[in-house]
Amino acid sequence: EVQLVESGGGLVKPGGSLRLSCAASGLTFTNYNMNWVRQAPGKGLEWVSSVETSSGYIYYADSVKGRFTISRDNAGNSLFLQMNSLRAEDTAVYYCARDYYGFYAFDIWGQGTMLTVSS
Amino acid sequence: QSALTQPASVSGSPGQSITISCTGTSSDVGGYNYVSWYQQHPGKAPKLMIYDVSTRPSGDSNRFSGSKSGNTASLTISGLRAEDEADYYCSSYTSYNTRVFGTGTKVTVL
Repeated sequence: EVQLVESGGGLVKPGGSLRLSCAASGLTFTNYNMNWVRQAPGKGLEWVSSVETSSGYIYYADSVKGRFTISRDNAGNSLFLQMNSLRAEDTAVYYCARDYYGFYAFDIWGQGTMLTVSS
Repeated sequence: QSALTQPASVSGSPGQSITISCTGTSSDVGGYNYVSWYQQHPGKAPKLMIYDVSTRPSGDSNRFSGSKSGNTASLTISGLRAEDEADYYCSSYTSYNTRVFGTGTKVTVL
């Protein structure tokens, strides 16, 4: 069974940093582009960042550019999101999501990890 | 990159058909056939329902169908059932190599 499991969420003060992880199993991780998508409490989905299979191409939403860094460890089947200079508006559930192979669609999602930015 | 525009809510009775619209620009919805749709029940992760405008993942219900005209994509749910009550989001690839989601639509089964 293909599974994505996020971890690393928590409570952080404004201006702080945190690193999210996503452990993948049941798939050949190196074959898939991966993404982070977030959802603020009671709000809609927001795409955050994408990384291609070999990390050759990386993209960010304007709202996080310069503050967040996506990375992956293909040998360890893991995806990461380093988040710096955190703001209250970054408070959200963060989902790790796989791109459907060869398509621009998110076909497998993790259960999400909650980040709260508050003093 | 602004969110794609969806109606806040759509409702219908069991057995009816409903349609959710998703309006973007020529830089996203109108420029590519890379629109996807997601269903999200409360407290759950989203589920892919449609990709490439109108393709259903294998094994998924044929009650869900997608289409596009110009800068507007649409999701139609036929034979509405109680379990279809959920939030629905569209998404598109963009000319900036990014992705954008719609504002979301709450579907209520009356």
